Amino acid sequence: AQKVTQAQTEISVVEKEDVTLDCVYETRDTTYYLFWYKQPPSGELVFLIRRNSFDEQNEISGRYSWNFQKSTSSFNFTITASQVVDSAVYFCALSVTGANSKLTFGKGITLSVRP
Amino acid sequence: NAGVTQTPKFRVLKTGQSMTLLCAQDMNHEYMYWYRQDPGMGLRLIHYSVGEGTTAKGEVPDGYNVSRLKKQNFLLGLESAAPSQTSVYFCASSAGLAGGRDTQYFGPGTRLTVL
Repeated sequence: AQKVTQAQTEISVVEKEDVTLDCVYETRDTTYYLFWYKQPPSGELVFLIRRNSFDEQNEISGRYSWNFQKSTSSFNFTITASQVVDSAVYFCALSVTGANSKLTFGKGITLSVRP
Repeated sequence: NAGVTQTPKFRVLKTGQSMTLLCAQDMNHEYMYWYRQDPGMGLRLIHYSVGEGTTAKGEVPDGYNVSRLKKQNFLLGLESAAPSQTSVYFCASSAGLAGGRDTQYFGPGTRLTVL
């Protein structure tokens, strides 16, 4: 069975601070995909990134970066120079081969960025 | 493209009433999913479908039924609503790519309250 743990439940930072959201996963599969989704206060879920288990290169997209480490089963998300618009709930999720693309979600991290 | 749409956006039911939530996607996706989101629980899969005419149970299927008569639509039914079904319901769809590399795209959600 798969499991995703987001140990941080709520994080509060002041604008322009850097913040890292942690994600730890468990699976026995050797091929899997990891995802991050953002849920802003408006409620919709927005896809941010997908990373496969064979690609451990870090990914950077503007102020967002992701650090994937198989050795520690972690897929952490860092926001650099946070902004108020980054305030949202962030979900990490896992999908494995042969599971009909079903996602196992973590419980989410509520990020509040104060001006 | 509208992406994934859900009808209605809000609904209040009395215990024992029935209702159907409609999900529609215009991306020609094969797979569709229904989730519920409760505080502190993340997203949990209710039912899913891997193609027109097929449905399968997810993690929390009790009290719900689904149908996928047309590829673009996925209906979630509550036959006899209970207060425990008060939740935010999300529909998602994905192309159905093999090997876990699928990406799910979500609708805006339906907020359901059962009194």
